[in-house]
Amino acid sequence: GQQVMQIPQYQHVQEGEDFTTYCNSSTTLSNIQWYKQRPGGHPVFLIQLVKSGEVKKQKRLTFQFGEAKKNSSLHITATQTTDVGTYFCAGYSGSARQLTFGSGTQLTVLP
Amino acid sequence: DVKVTQSSRYLVKRTGEKVFLECVQDMDHENMFWYRQDPGLGLRLIYFSYDVKMKEKGDIPEGYSVSREKKERFSLILESASTNQTSMYLCASSVLGVGRTEAFFGQGTRLTVV
Repeated sequence: GQQVMQIPQYQHVQEGEDFTTYCNSSTTLSNIQWYKQRPGGHPVFLIQLVKSGEVKKQKRLTFQFGEAKKNSSLHITATQTTDVGTYFCAGYSGSARQLTFGSGTQLTVLP
Repeated sequence: DVKVTQSSRYLVKRTGEKVFLECVQDMDHENMFWYRQDPGLGLRLIYFSYDVKMKEKGDIPEGYSVSREKKERFSLILESASTNQTSMYLCASSVLGVGRTEAFFGQGTRLTVV
């Protein structure tokens, strides 16, 4: 079945440093979604990318969808303590109704 | 606001008990999902449903079953709870089809099997 891998599993950064997490799917995705889960909370949707090569920005967050629609990345510029949490990518593949999540990257931001 | 409500925030059950986890959504979403979340393993899909009485196995269906008798309600059943089913269980719903298909999550049920 579809597998979605995400690296790194953990990342510690100093406040102000940049952060990137990478997502790779074993199959072509119809879209890629990114979620953030704060400690003690549930995953909350951030963004959806649909087109090959698409790049979207939300303030300090930049999301990319690969040309082959099998990989994606999330980059945070100048991290803040409010960025702490676990970031998940997720995707539907082809006509599948199954939404598969990556294993997540847990971000710690040190003040 | 979309609301996905799970019946319990915390549950403690004994080994061998039959356990029901209930999830209700109020946005008329076609898709509903059950995931379990364990440290380092992310969100693993147990079962999902895209219509009433329809269900499909996810990646880890063993030891679980589901029921969807009404569009708004999706139940996860542990037929005979075991200690390795101690976990956080998350229910989610989404629209089916093209366009924005984000998943909305409930607050989660932390199940402990003793």
